[in-house]
Amino acid sequence: EVHLVESGGGLIQPGGSLRLSCAASGFSVSGEYMSWVRQAPGKGLEWVSVIYSGDNTYYADSVKGRFTLSRDYSQNTLYLQMNSLRAEDTAVYYCARNPLYYYDSSGYPPYFDSWGQGTLVTVSS
Amino acid sequence: EIVLTQSPGTLSLSPGERVTLSCRASQRVSRHYLAWYQHKYGQAPRLLIYATSTRATGTPDRFSGGGSGTDFTLTISRLEPEDFAVYYCQQYGSSPLYSFGQGTKLEIK
Repeated sequence: EVHLVESGGGLIQPGGSLRLSCAASGFSVSGEYMSWVRQAPGKGLEWVSVIYSGDNTYYADSVKGRFTLSRDYSQNTLYLQMNSLRAEDTAVYYCARNPLYYYDSSGYPPYFDSWGQGTLVTVSS
Repeated sequence: EIVLTQSPGTLSLSPGERVTLSCRASQRVSRHYLAWYQHKYGQAPRLLIYATSTRATGTPDRFSGGGSGTDFTLTISRLEPEDFAVYYCQQYGSSPLYSFGQGTKLEIK
């Protein structure tokens, strides 16, 4: 069974840094497409970042240059390093798996099929 | 940038009723790249539908998806008590790489 568990959230001052972890079980994060999605208080879901099977990473404009997504194959864990945090980064952060969907002989990662329970990040002085 | 607009924002309905939720995109979305999620407070979001109309594993058959181009729908044929939640549509492929609608909240009347 696929299982994702996030950790590392907490209260941090504006301008500070935090690293979130997402421990995976039931599958290997190596070679998988994996994302972080967040939900600010009272708001909807917002995609943050994705890592492709070749370790290429992509970011939402709102976090580009401040957040870095990486993974550790030996720990089967996904990470999100968050620097220069702002009040508007306050949210519950979810990690999610993007399975490949095949059509026309090619695979694409268009949706999120497994999610963790999330970890809360609060940026406030 | 593709913007997904869901309507209505909130619906008050009774168990047993039929409901259709709308998701309108500001530009054409491939039907392969449109998904729907259910989200309950304090829980992980749950994938319901992908590729516009394919039910995810474990999704009851009272849920169905449809549409094409810029207009997509999620229909629940007969509401069960556990269906009252927030529903999001989501697209892939255009800037931003992934985006969600703002959500439709189904509440018990």
